[in-house]
Amino acid sequence: QITLQESGPTLVKPTQTLTLTCTFSGFSLSTSGEGVAWIRQPPGKAPECLGLIYWDDDKTYSPSLKNRLTITKGTSKDQVVLTMTSMDPVDTATYFCAHRRGWPGRSFDYWGQGALVTVSS
Amino acid sequence: DIQMTQSPSSLSASVGDRVTITCQASQDISNYLNWYQQKPGKAPRLLIYDASNLETGVPSRFSGSGSGTHFTFTISSLQPEDIATYYCQQYHNLLFTFGPGTKVDFK
Repeated sequence: QITLQESGPTLVKPTQTLTLTCTFSGFSLSTSGEGVAWIRQPPGKAPECLGLIYWDDDKTYSPSLKNRLTITKGTSKDQVVLTMTSMDPVDTATYFCAHRRGWPGRSFDYWGQGALVTVSS
Repeated sequence: DIQMTQSPSSLSASVGDRVTITCQASQDISNYLNWYQQKPGKAPRLLIYDASNLETGVPSRFSGSGSGTHFTFTISSLQPEDIATYYCQQYHNLLFTFGPGTKVDFK
């Protein structure tokens, strides 16, 4: 059974850097084909995929945010870390991590419960 | 970038009604299209992958079709637990893009 859980601050100030950790179980990010995605969802809006990291350490970032994003594997083999710089109130959202399934059908089949991050001074 | 549109943005229906949502891609994405259901305060749930394949454990009243740029999602007989927002998602390029969503509620 795959599970994921986001952790990190609930409140950050404008211009600060956000760091969120996704702790997962039930799969290994060292296994070929595996991936973890970060998705955010502002209140009342659609989800937005921020980026993904794959088993081979390859990464994909949203073109509109790539200058502010870094996704890495954590020091623990069951963690992925999202870093987003220069936070602004418009970045207020629920941040999810999700398991990217490679087959059958590339999709996000398991999600964390989400972490609400508010950007305010 | 590939843009996704959905219609309608919201709809009201009765229990037992057939509900249809359409999703359009700004360019050909073959069948690289997924559908998710999201209830308030919850993470999205995968329902359909590769345009027409039902995810394991998802009731058979949900279905999807289409390819290229035009896709359809159908609930054959709306149930009370189906009240939610539905999103399409493409993965033709390496980045997954969601549509704006369709909110389904009761008439």
